[in-house]
Amino acid sequence: DAKTTQPNSMESNEEEPVHLPCNHSTISGTDYIHWYRQLPSQGPEYVIHGLTSNVNNRMASLAIAEDRKSSTLILHRATLRDAAVYYCILRDRRGGNEKLTFGTGTRLTIIP
Amino acid sequence: NAGVMQNPRHLVRRRGQEARLRCSPMKGHSHVYWYRQLPEEGLKFMVYLQKENIIDESGMPKERFSAEFPKEGPSILRIQQVVRGDSAAYFCASSPGGQAWVEAFFGQGTRLTVV
Repeated sequence: DAKTTQPNSMESNEEEPVHLPCNHSTISGTDYIHWYRQLPSQGPEYVIHGLTSNVNNRMASLAIAEDRKSSTLILHRATLRDAAVYYCILRDRRGGNEKLTFGTGTRLTIIP
Repeated sequence: NAGVMQNPRHLVRRRGQEARLRCSPMKGHSHVYWYRQLPEEGLKFMVYLQKENIIDESGMPKERFSAEFPKEGPSILRIQQVVRGDSAAYFCASSPGGQAWVEAFFGQGTRLTVV
């Protein structure tokens, strides 16, 4: 799996937007970009994924650079419940290598 | 539709005992993945199984650890002769497999403490 690079930690004020960056300069054309988050004392949960185009869902938005070498997870209005470790993961859409490989992620702290 | 169920949630074992961790995947999912998370660290892949088959065990320690996913029943991660360094949270995830899946579902984890 291609590697991703994320800042170790970030802080944001409650009710403000949060932009979590991820660099993946060695991404291949068949790699999906996945984001998962892990709340304290819980298992990871899926947030969003994309391939080339920007994506929106009820939890977040994913902005993907035109060259796909970086992406940004956007939480539009952070709440205290968004405090978690956020993982950016590449997964080959061709299958055959099914596992998700987690890096160290970004620990997001929300300031009330 | 129940999510991924792991039990027990907490397990305490003395050094040298065996630990058995169970994972029931989501209904309809035939692929299971086990991860280990040491305190204050990220998740490390251990093993990927389909029903009755181990697909990728590249993250499994060579000794004392084994995993199975029988045709009937939950997936089992077994740790023999536990040592203090095995103390960690063990997470299981499941997916339907194939190229089209996009979301893996994780359980709440089993927190193993070796005393």
